[in-house]
Amino acid sequence: GESVGLHLPTLSVQEGDNSIINCAYSNSASDYFIWYKQESGKGPQFIIDIRSNMDKRQGQRVTVLLNKTVKHLSLQIAATQPGDSAVYFCAETRGYQKVTFGTGTKLQVIP
Amino acid sequence: SQTIHQWPATLVQPVGSPLSLECTVEGTSNPNLYWYRQAAGRGLQLLFYSVGIGQISSEVPQNLSASRPQDRQFILSSKKLLLSDSGFYLCAWSAKDRLLGNYGYTFGSGTRLTVV
Repeated sequence: GESVGLHLPTLSVQEGDNSIINCAYSNSASDYFIWYKQESGKGPQFIIDIRSNMDKRQGQRVTVLLNKTVKHLSLQIAATQPGDSAVYFCAETRGYQKVTFGTGTKLQVIP
Repeated sequence: SQTIHQWPATLVQPVGSPLSLECTVEGTSNPNLYWYRQAAGRGLQLLFYSVGIGQISSEVPQNLSASRPQDRQFILSSKKLLLSDSGFYLCAWSAKDRLLGNYGYTFGSGTRLTVV
């Protein structure tokens, strides 16, 4: 479910390294899982989604992995760049009628 | 292409004053519309969503209300603001059909509200 009251955990990564951001979800009925990127002072931007009947999906420099057995979702960013610094939110939805966000993770890229 | 507009970008209001934030969507029809709130350094909390004109679902009890007077217009209101209403308010829309890879679930640029 939502964890809107928690302080955001922070992940620090060296530029050029791969980043892995993890998320646990709770609703087994969700059919899509989504990753959003939010830069400071802006609205969240869609990165990638994955349907519940898949376990892996790749985009440009990003890969999302879904493990339904342990209700775990991860976002892998290859060759992390300074422009990747942002807060990343996982989210879940059933039919995209409404999207419920999980706890965000702040990604800091060290030059 | 579809666009979502939200204004104002920032707002400072005294406690007890009324509030009206407006969100409009262009380039689509019959969208689902949403209001989220984000406290500083926190996650996003869904406040209201609407699947059609005059249809509003409230997710959490609060000092706020929402209205949808037109198909592509969503308004967030309060009669008397509280200090705890401060936050970053985000409007979002989605399509009812899978037109895009993610039903077009897209956020506006947000309104930063400070209640003083």
